[in-house]
Amino acid sequence: DAMVIQNPRYQVTQFGKPVTLSCSQTLNHNVMYWYQQKSSQAPKLLFHYYDKDFNNEADTPDNFQSRRPNTSFCFLDIRSPGLGDAAMYLCATSTRTGGTDTQYFGPGTRLTVL
Amino acid sequence: AQTVTQSQPEMSVQEAETVTLSCTYDTSENNYYLFWYKQPPSRQMILVIRQEAYKQQNATENRFSVNFQKAAKSFSLKISDSQLGDTAMYFCAFMPYNNNDMRFGAGTRLTVKP
Repeated sequence: DAMVIQNPRYQVTQFGKPVTLSCSQTLNHNVMYWYQQKSSQAPKLLFHYYDKDFNNEADTPDNFQSRRPNTSFCFLDIRSPGLGDAAMYLCATSTRTGGTDTQYFGPGTRLTVL
Repeated sequence: AQTVTQSQPEMSVQEAETVTLSCTYDTSENNYYLFWYKQPPSRQMILVIRQEAYKQQNATENRFSVNFQKAAKSFSLKISDSQLGDTAMYFCAFMPYNNNDMRFGAGTRLTVKP
């Protein structure tokens, strides 16, 4: 029944070592999002794809990149993780039918930076 | 820019009682969506209830209902007959009708006590 799947659930990386988080969905939704959620804070939108169109939030650091090779998969690449990038990373999907629609979230990947 | 404010960082309620979580928002948009999401400890975020701004009728979902006051830009969540499983972080969120940029409030941590 899994709809939005994130792998791995826990990721440990070293300061400055590139890391990739993955998200897949079985809902065939055309919009996919990446959020960063630090401890006890609200999720913050990093970017989203509307089909293949990439939309970056103005304050998302260049250190964060994303790829969406097909409808089902989306990746978050952190090129040089810093200690401040330790957080939960949430993937979400939605379908757009005229207006926006409900976002469905994955379980998240908790990133630790040593 | 849209902002969402949740003025209650933490709340508690006795099992079977009713609790209301507050949310206000600021926007110049006329058409938008409002959401309440629930994030249980170490579990994924799920939608509790949503409201379209053009609908005057308040949304309800079983024990969950909202009091949407468009003029006051207020969107509170009422949980009736609280259950232990309602213990979670609750996020209020705003999304304009014509884009995917969802903004979350800081969250309210709700504890249901037996």
